[in-house]
Amino acid sequence: QKEVEQDPGPLSVPEGAIVSLNCTYSNSAFQYFMWYRQYSRKGPELLMYTYSSGNKEDGRFTAQVDKSSKYISLFIRDSQPSDSATYLCAVGGGGADGLTFGKGTHLIIQP
Amino acid sequence: SQTIHQWPATLVQPVGSPLSLECTVEGTSNPNLYWYRQAAGRGLQLLFYSVGIGQISSEVPQNLSASRPQDRQFILSSKKLLLSDSGFYLCAFNMGQQNTEAFFGQGTRLTVV
Repeated sequence: QKEVEQDPGPLSVPEGAIVSLNCTYSNSAFQYFMWYRQYSRKGPELLMYTYSSGNKEDGRFTAQVDKSSKYISLFIRDSQPSDSATYLCAVGGGGADGLTFGKGTHLIIQP
Repeated sequence: SQTIHQWPATLVQPVGSPLSLECTVEGTSNPNLYWYRQAAGRGLQLLFYSVGIGQISSEVPQNLSASRPQDRQFILSSKKLLLSDSGFYLCAFNMGQQNTEAFFGQGTRLTVV
């Protein structure tokens, strides 16, 4: 059964803090891992894409995948008020039958 | 570059009326196409996906249908809307044979009244 668990929040942190967002998944067949950012009433925007285990860094964002623990993380350094949004994790396996999403974490960065 | 267009952005329809939402992709050929619905507190639910013209797979039984009349066009339809069809509908695409990163349109907020 496809399943991805994600704490819905809200998570409120002060500007400049390091933010840690996490998801767990149950199916070890997943091998593609993504983080999306979604502003209110907009479509999700791809932030990070990782294949298999390891870290990937892009500016202030770092994505981490631990396949042995079935655990994925997104770290945001020097958080800004513009980072306030809902963050969705997504996982994919073989085939083209679509991604499985977490329910999203609502993040609030306080100025 | 590849872009995806989805319209309309907002739609209010009475119960029992038909529905047609359209999505088109530009800048690529033979994309995989997806319709998701997003409800508050429930995340994104995959409704339909298509790997080619005329090829539609449905993930959940429902009051909706999908069609792909052209390579880069994906349509979501209903003959008679229900109140429970209200939600935020998102079209997405990706490339290749695997579930790699998908790119989303801006969504259609449908309210059935």
